[in-house]
Amino acid sequence: DQQVKQNSPSLSVQEGRISILNCDYTNSMFDYFLWYKKYPAEGPTFLISISSIKDKNEDGRFTVFLNKSAKHLSLHIVPSQPGDSAVYFCAASAIQGGSEKLVFGKGTKLTVNP
Amino acid sequence: NAGVMQNPRHLVRRRGQEARLRCSPMKGHSHVYWYRQLPEEGLKFMVYLQKENIIDESGMPKERFSAEFPKEGPSILRIQQVVRGDSAAYFCASSPNLHLNEKLFFGSGTQLSVL
Repeated sequence: DQQVKQNSPSLSVQEGRISILNCDYTNSMFDYFLWYKKYPAEGPTFLISISSIKDKNEDGRFTVFLNKSAKHLSLHIVPSQPGDSAVYFCAASAIQGGSEKLVFGKGTKLTVNP
Repeated sequence: NAGVMQNPRHLVRRRGQEARLRCSPMKGHSHVYWYRQLPEEGLKFMVYLQKENIIDESGMPKERFSAEFPKEGPSILRIQQVVRGDSAAYFCASSPNLHLNEKLFFGSGTQLSVL
């Protein structure tokens, strides 16, 4: 039962171009969405988030868009840099099983080529 | 300004042995979460603890797995009689408060390999 889906396991872009990472979800009770970035042999680190009452949040080169009717969000990175190469996890927050917790997608491996 | 500390980084066990994974949350954080990442999978919630209390263990396998967060010392995830299917990366995360929209801080994980 995959509540948060990242259908692209990998993405490759050229340095300076835009990277667009997509995420779909099925649970309409999710009220907050987050993106985490993970380098090999490290834990995930928080990147950017968006509340379900908004449709856009921007932080420097990173922008997250939320389309609630389509249950879809995307992360835009522009311009992309080689240091952005990592695995990006989409996560959603909801109260399940008695407590608030994050539900993660499988991740998308982004490679930014110099 | 230490982050979330997990040890060991790598743990090798033979089938049937016990595995103990430790997690010290960030200073001032009283909420601890354990997640497991199987190969080619996302992170799956296992358990949520506060000091001396298990708040939500809905993601924990019913047998062989247990977790604690004592008043003093780190949080411990314990796996008894490990099997090959337990091989995974186990991540601990901490939070200063109840609301996850304040984001979780993750440790670097423990890679468990069961031979």
